[in-house]
Amino acid sequence: AQKVTQAQTEISVVEKEDVTLDCVYETRDTTYYLFWYKQPPSGELVFLIRRNSFDEQNEISGRYSWNFQKSTSSFNFTITASQVVDSAVYFCALSEVNSGGGADGLTFGKGTHLIIQP
Amino acid sequence: ETGVTQTPRHLVMGMTNKKSLKCEQHLGHNAMYWYKQSAKKPLELMFVYNFKEQTENNSVPSRFSPECPNSSHLFLHLHTLQPEDSALYLCASSQERRSSGNTIYFGEGSWLTVV
Repeated sequence: AQKVTQAQTEISVVEKEDVTLDCVYETRDTTYYLFWYKQPPSGELVFLIRRNSFDEQNEISGRYSWNFQKSTSSFNFTITASQVVDSAVYFCALSEVNSGGGADGLTFGKGTHLIIQP
Repeated sequence: ETGVTQTPRHLVMGMTNKKSLKCEQHLGHNAMYWYKQSAKKPLELMFVYNFKEQTENNSVPSRFSPECPNSSHLFLHLHTLQPEDSALYLCASSQERRSSGNTIYFGEGSWLTVV
């Protein structure tokens, strides 16, 4: 069975601080995909990144960076120089390969509510 | 502008009412999903449609009835709901997959309150 754990329920930092959101996953598959989504108060889940299990290279996109470590089954997300607009709930998610084919959906963590104070 | 649009954005309904949520995707995808997001619970996958065929039903009560007339449209018909069904219902879509990993894109959600 697959599982995603986001142990941090809520994080509050002051603007311009760096912040890291933790994600730990469990899966029996050797091939899988990891995702991060951002959910602002409006409700829409905004896709941020997808990473497959064979690509452990860290990725940076502007102020966002992701650290994927298979050895610890973690896929952490760091925001550098945080801004008030970064305030949202952030979800980590896992998708396993379905050998039978077809769409499967994602297994989500419970999310981390990030509050950036001005 | 989002590629997945949901209407209505907000819905209040009584327990004896019948209503429907509508979702339309403009991304040329073949798979569509309904997710439920309740307070203090992880996002729950409800239904999956692949090329208009339902491929997954995660033990959802029959008072929720999905309909997928084509690859671009998805409905969730609601009848005799309970107050605990109040939640944010999210529609999503992705490319048809023979293996997982295609990115799933979400709509803005429909906030449902059952009174």
